Amino acid sequence: GAVVSQHPSWVICKSGTSVKIECRSLDFQATTMFWYRQFPKQSLMLMATSNEGSKATYEQGVEKDKFLINHASLTLSTLTVTSAHPEDSSFYICSAVRLAANYEQYFGPGTRLTVT
Amino acid sequence: QKEVEQDPGPLSVPEGAIVSLNCTYSNSAFQYFMWYRQYSRKGPELLMYTYSSGNKEDGRFTAQVDKSSKYISLFIRDSQPSDSATYLCAMRQGGGNKLTFGTGTQLKVEL
Repeated sequence: GAVVSQHPSWVICKSGTSVKIECRSLDFQATTMFWYRQFPKQSLMLMATSNEGSKATYEQGVEKDKFLINHASLTLSTLTVTSAHPEDSSFYICSAVRLAANYEQYFGPGTRLTVT
Repeated sequence: QKEVEQDPGPLSVPEGAIVSLNCTYSNSAFQYFMWYRQYSRKGPELLMYTYSSGNKEDGRFTAQVDKSSKYISLFIRDSQPSDSATYLCAMRQGGGNKLTFGTGTQLKVEL
């Protein structure tokens, strides 16, 4: 159990367009999901905390109008990168908190975004 | 000073060796300690989860937490080439879910 999926696994888009990334907890409910960004050979950088039914909480330095987060249900959170630029190219990873397991956090496989 | 310090490696060991990975931290409020394994271009996979000080064993993996020294370790026995990955330590406080990660240690187990 505790499987988290992400879609798409990789995406290439043109500068100025928007891209939506989905994060789903497949076999458990998650009231809290997190979105991270990871650059090559670096650790995960927390971007925002997504809570079901409420507004996301963004970390300092993360533009909330550029990285739109929606947590519409207990199993789905989405991250939309708006007006993407090449510097937004990165590996985006979500995680979901499993309440029934001491708040353990399970990660999705990641989405590689390349903006050309 | 970072809240969590982890040697980035790379660490190269022969197959069958015992591997020791470590993290130190400065925030005494951390109570939950985790080790994640991340293969290249994949999401992190939870390996070990420990609350407070002590040892926890799961197969070839042993996690140790010493809160008095603010030091945590992950030991891998009989290391295999398939263990080659980046190992991330993570920790959080008692209230809330937000994790603080180390930078990760890149491990290579060679035949």
